Amino acid sequence: QVQLVQSGAEVKKPGSSVKVSCKASGGTFSSDTISWVRQAPGQGLEWMGRIIPILGMPNYAQKFQGRVTITADKSTSTAYMELSSLRSEDTAVYYCARKLTGDPYWYFDLWGRGTLVTVSS
Amino acid sequence: QTVVTQEPSFSVSPGGTVTLTCGLSSGSVSTDYYPSWYHQTPGQAPRTLIYNTDTRSSGVPDRFSGSILGNKAALTITGAQADDESAYYCVLYMGSGMAFGGGTKLTVL
Repeated sequence: QVQLVQSGAEVKKPGSSVKVSCKASGGTFSSDTISWVRQAPGQGLEWMGRIIPILGMPNYAQKFQGRVTITADKSTSTAYMELSSLRSEDTAVYYCARKLTGDPYWYFDLWGRGTLVTVSS
Repeated sequence: QTVVTQEPSFSVSPGGTVTLTCGLSSGSVSTDYYPSWYHQTPGQAPRTLIYNTDTRSSGVPDRFSGSILGNKAALTITGAQADDESAYYCVLYMGSGMAFGGGTKLTVL
């Protein structure tokens, strides 16, 4: 059964960048859609963007345009989310989530466990 | 920019029925938005409850049901249990991406 395995927690300085990974364990996801969703402490969930690894074409939520880069390596079934110019408000848990290819309905059927990114000087 | 709206909080008595809604700041929610619902307990990743408006995800008890009520998507929980105390999020497909509602904190008491 496929699981989405995310990289470990990160502590970053303001102004720096962070790159979080999400690997499909027990399968592949090259034709699925992988989204990144974040959750600041005590706050709700927020969609950041998505990619279809086999196509390699991401699209981003307007709020994060210019600051987020989502990529994927289909040979290793790993997706990445890089967020730059970090500020304290970017402190959050970052989740990857899958939308299955071939499923006509737009929803997330599988989630990673999340990666805590802390931005602190 | 259109915002997805949810009640910030709701309470229900054990065994009771509650309906949470998911609307748009401008316009109506329809099945074209593929409304889906997730619940999340503290420290855990979200779990899928309902997709495509009214389809229960695998393993989700039939106490949970989805629908369109008026101009909103709705999640109804019947026979609420203590374990249902959680945050509930709706997600809408917006074409250019996905949009989360702000979430509803459900209290069972």
